[in-house]
Amino acid sequence: GAGVSQSPSNKVTEKGKDVELRCDPISGHTALYWYRQSLGQGLEFLIYFQGNSAPDKSGLPSDRFSAERTGGSVSTLTIQRTQQEDSAVYLCASSRGQGGYEQYFGPGTRLTVT
Amino acid sequence: GENVEQHPSTLSVQEGDSAVIKCTYSDSASNYFPWYKQELGKRPQLIIDIRSNVGEKKDQRIAVTLNKTAKHFSLHITETQPEDSAVYFCAASGGTSYGKLTFGQGTILTVHP
Repeated sequence: GAGVSQSPSNKVTEKGKDVELRCDPISGHTALYWYRQSLGQGLEFLIYFQGNSAPDKSGLPSDRFSAERTGGSVSTLTIQRTQQEDSAVYLCASSRGQGGYEQYFGPGTRLTVT
Repeated sequence: GENVEQHPSTLSVQEGDSAVIKCTYSDSASNYFPWYKQELGKRPQLIIDIRSNVGEKKDQRIAVTLNKTAKHFSLHITETQPEDSAVYFCAASGGTSYGKLTFGQGTILTVHP
């Protein structure tokens, strides 16, 4: 079946602009996660959605970052007033149920802030 | 929160040899430990995982062992092949990190033909 998809695959933006990154999880997966991968920081957790529960936002690095999940499916990660340190690959993952088990990743969005 | 340390950062082996990558974690309540393989420019791919109620799990040439007392777990790859060359990440979740994965820093594995 179809895996996790993300768009765009690449995004170049100017410092100070807002960007939106999209994630389509595997059909039927109730949990959705955003991670960030950068050279200096490895893979770091950003936010976790589980069903209709309030999301776990504990990994968001600043209030410029926010995410929504509409209808329990598609998610959008928004970064406002982008900074150069936001440059990274943003990865989305989904899993079937609770507990974070068996998370499957999308191809990522490479964000470059100039 | 959880902290995961991974060693070595790089590992070079000859084709056919075994490779072992080790991780330690800090939260004794963590209960899920997956391993991901990431090839250059590709997404992380789940290759094997283990839950805290078992000590070992094997899938063909790869195996993972877990020592809950010592809070460490290891990935074992036997009969390595050049296509095993990639970056491998360990991770942990559960306890104070319920639902979210905390990753190790990664191991670059190179298998020489």
